[in-house]
Amino acid sequence: DAGVTQSPTHLIKTRGQQVTLRCSPKSGHDTVSWYQQALGQGPQFIFQYYEEEERQRGNFPDRFSGHQFPNYSSELNVNALLLGDSALYLCASSFLMAGELFFGEGSRLTVL
Amino acid sequence: SQQGEEDPQALSIQEGENATMNCSYKTSINNLQWYRQNSGRGLVHLILIRSNEREKHSGRLRVTLDTSKKSSSLLITASRAADTASYFCATGVRAGGTSYGKLTFGQGTILTVHP
Repeated sequence: DAGVTQSPTHLIKTRGQQVTLRCSPKSGHDTVSWYQQALGQGPQFIFQYYEEEERQRGNFPDRFSGHQFPNYSSELNVNALLLGDSALYLCASSFLMAGELFFGEGSRLTVL
Repeated sequence: SQQGEEDPQALSIQEGENATMNCSYKTSINNLQWYRQNSGRGLVHLILIRSNEREKHSGRLRVTLDTSKKSSSLLITASRAADTASYFCATGVRAGGTSYGKLTFGQGTILTVHP
């Protein structure tokens, strides 16, 4: 039973560029949430997708956008990258937007 | 902003000792969860306690919840070197229907267990 998979695992971008991160949820899960974790901090909620719609959003600017596909996989897009966007981006899946989250190993983004 | 605040920020103990981590939060919750993270990798769910529960056990883990004090504690008994990790509490609030919406994480407690 595959868990949550994320790609890429590491990437380096320069300021102003755009990045797309991908996530496949755990088998049987239909809800995907994205979190940003800066070094030494706890994860911060970006947004949650269910039935291909954004259901909740945290305090992140519109530069952060996402999408959920019919197979429940999801993408996180960040435009006009800033140095402060350097972080570990975590995808988490769950069933019916409830209960415990299953996390992927994350995508570590470095913005130079 | 972080709702859960863990205490202590760092904890260093010897193998076999018990480790206690505390979490405080600010608003009403539906559930509180504890997660573990090894070296900046993905988080692993440990235990979920609902707002109408006071105590929950899972193996060597014991979690308590005091909603009147808006606090929770995680006890790891008979710790092992493999328990070395960061531990986070996260609070869930019902967002409507069955949705628990986002989880709000604290900044975590770094636990080091020395062999």
